[in-house]
Amino acid sequence: DAGVTQSPTHLIKTRGQQVTLRCSPISGHKSVSWYQQVLGQGPQFIFQYYEKEERGRGNFPDRFSARQFPNYSSELNVNALLLGDSALYLCASSARLVTYEQYFGPGTRLTVT
Amino acid sequence: GEDVEQSLFLSVREGDSSVINCTYTDSSSTYLYWYKQEPGAGLQLLTYIFSNMDMKQDQRLTVLLNKKDKHLSLRIADTQTGDSAIYFCAVPSGGYNKLIFGAGTRLAVHP
Repeated sequence: DAGVTQSPTHLIKTRGQQVTLRCSPISGHKSVSWYQQVLGQGPQFIFQYYEKEERGRGNFPDRFSARQFPNYSSELNVNALLLGDSALYLCASSARLVTYEQYFGPGTRLTVT
Repeated sequence: GEDVEQSLFLSVREGDSSVINCTYTDSSSTYLYWYKQEPGAGLQLLTYIFSNMDMKQDQRLTVLLNKKDKHLSLRIADTQTGDSAIYFCAVPSGGYNKLIFGAGTRLAVHP
């Protein structure tokens, strides 16, 4: 089975623009979580979605939003991009809402200029 | 809130053992995790330990947990150049799927 996939791999945007990142979880997994990893730091939790509902939100501004589709894939949207949004955005999938096993995708590298 | 701290850098000789340390603040954590990140890649789940265990061994990896001191360590035996990566300690917060990560320990393995 394929692992977690994310698209695009790399993205360059200008300040003020909007961006949409995509994630496909492992087949059969119903939970998707999003993390932001700024260079030199550990990942920070942004959102968790399970069965198309938001189940957790980290300390991020309202410019960040997400949704999950009936096939359990997910999109992360960031509006009004700032230079500080430049980071690796990681998606993690798991089979259940609460589980000890999460599997991460390769990430999307976003650069804001 | 939960805080996880790690030393930032470790350099070892090939064939030696590596020990990466982590301290955390939330004593209610049920599982504690070690992830590995290679350059330009996502996170790979290396191993995890349940909070009622003191030690877990998995091939070359040994995880030690000291709940009293809230200290977690990862030992890699016979360290190889392919082990060069950043290692993250992670602790769940507010539910198993929300993980709090340390800043990562960069392991450099030299001949």
